[in-house]
Amino acid sequence: GQQVMQIPQYQHVQEGEDFTTYCNSSTTLSNIQWYKQRPGGHPVFLIQLVKSGEVKKQKRLTFQFGEAKKNSSLHITATQTTDVGTYFCAGGAGTASKLTFGTGTRLQVTL
Amino acid sequence: GAVVSQHPSRVICKSGTSVKIECRSLDFQATTMFWYRQFPKQSLMLMATSNEGSKATYEQGVEKDKFLINHASLTLSTLTVTSAHPEDSSFYICSAEVSDRGKGEQFFGPGTRLTVL
Repeated sequence: GQQVMQIPQYQHVQEGEDFTTYCNSSTTLSNIQWYKQRPGGHPVFLIQLVKSGEVKKQKRLTFQFGEAKKNSSLHITATQTTDVGTYFCAGGAGTASKLTFGTGTRLQVTL
Repeated sequence: GAVVSQHPSRVICKSGTSVKIECRSLDFQATTMFWYRQFPKQSLMLMATSNEGSKATYEQGVEKDKFLINHASLTLSTLTVTSAHPEDSSFYICSAEVSDRGKGEQFFGPGTRLTVL
């Protein structure tokens, strides 16, 4: 079945440093979504990418969808303590709505 | 808008009992809802897709007779864990997709933490 892997599994940065998480799918995706889950919380939608090579920005966050629609990345510029949490990519395939969640990257930010 | 609630938020039960978890879309209609399971510090594993008015679609390896899903209305889906055992202890999260938006973001409920003694 479809597998979605993320690296790194965990990253600890100092506030102000940049952070990137990479997402790789074993199969071609129709769309990729990114979610953030704070400790003890539930996933919150960040963005959806649909087009090959698409790049979207949300303030300090930059999302990219690979040309082959099998990988994606999330880059955070100048991290803040509020960025702490686990970031999941989630891939959609075909016409179905269901998502396969990636393994997640846990981000810790310290002062 | 697009708020999803879950009830209960936390439940502790004895082994062998059944537990029902409700997932409601509060301000929108959801033809499709999804049930996930999440172990500590792990990813979300899709258990089943709940379709209003029809049978749920279960993922491979998920026992349909153990995890009963009912989606009787456009705002409510329930997951019943039958004859729960300690290995069923987990965080169960539902999500819903806004009906008229097609494939798009999923709105997640706050989750239900199940502990089976």
